[in-house]
Amino acid sequence: NAGVMQNPRHLVRRRGQEARLRCSPMKGHSHVYWYRQLPEEGLKFMVYLQKENIIDESGMPKERFSAEFPKEGPSILRIQQVVRGDSAAYFCASSPISRAGNTIYFGEGSWLTVV
Amino acid sequence: AQSVTQPDIHITVSEGASLELRCNYSYGATPYLFWYVQSPGQGLQLLLKYFSGDTLVQGIKGFEAEFKRSQSSFNLRKPSVHWSDAAEYFCAVGLKTSYDKVIFGPGTSLSVIP
Repeated sequence: NAGVMQNPRHLVRRRGQEARLRCSPMKGHSHVYWYRQLPEEGLKFMVYLQKENIIDESGMPKERFSAEFPKEGPSILRIQQVVRGDSAAYFCASSPISRAGNTIYFGEGSWLTVV
Repeated sequence: AQSVTQPDIHITVSEGASLELRCNYSYGATPYLFWYVQSPGQGLQLLLKYFSGDTLVQGIKGFEAEFKRSQSSFNLRKPSVHWSDAAEYFCAVGLKTSYDKVIFGPGTSLSVIP
């Protein structure tokens, strides 16, 4: 029973390149959350998605960042024209249904380094 | 606005000693409460959670936490710390929205002295 799968685990990009982070939720889960953890900081909520819908993107930077969760395939967090400040760990989490009170389960994270 | 504070940025304890990590939250209603642990370079593992009922919650690895509504606190405790407990600990609040929005505290880094 696989957990939340994220890849790549580590990604190095040069300034100005694009970063794509993928997340496959746990089996049976159709709700995905993305969080960002900057060095020496806690996790900050970025976006919540259901299949083919962005429900809450209040934590997403206004520019360069986008997320999708297509009907088929993993959720993708895309960062265009990366800058050094984007270097962080990006965590994906999933839950089974849309109801407060579930436990959300986290993946192992994707560590982005911008050089 | 909702927030979670963890007053202690870093704590050092001796192996075998007791541990208490503090967590306070600000929220208009009784939230759902969680403690997660993160080892270096790893993801987050759920230690325990409080949704309702008994305010003393037992978790994995010998941890427990007590919800105190009057103090808006959810402190994590362990009677005897092991060297393998050295990690980053995050308190989190689950908001009572229509979905599971979770707000994290800044974390407490725990070091264990042999």
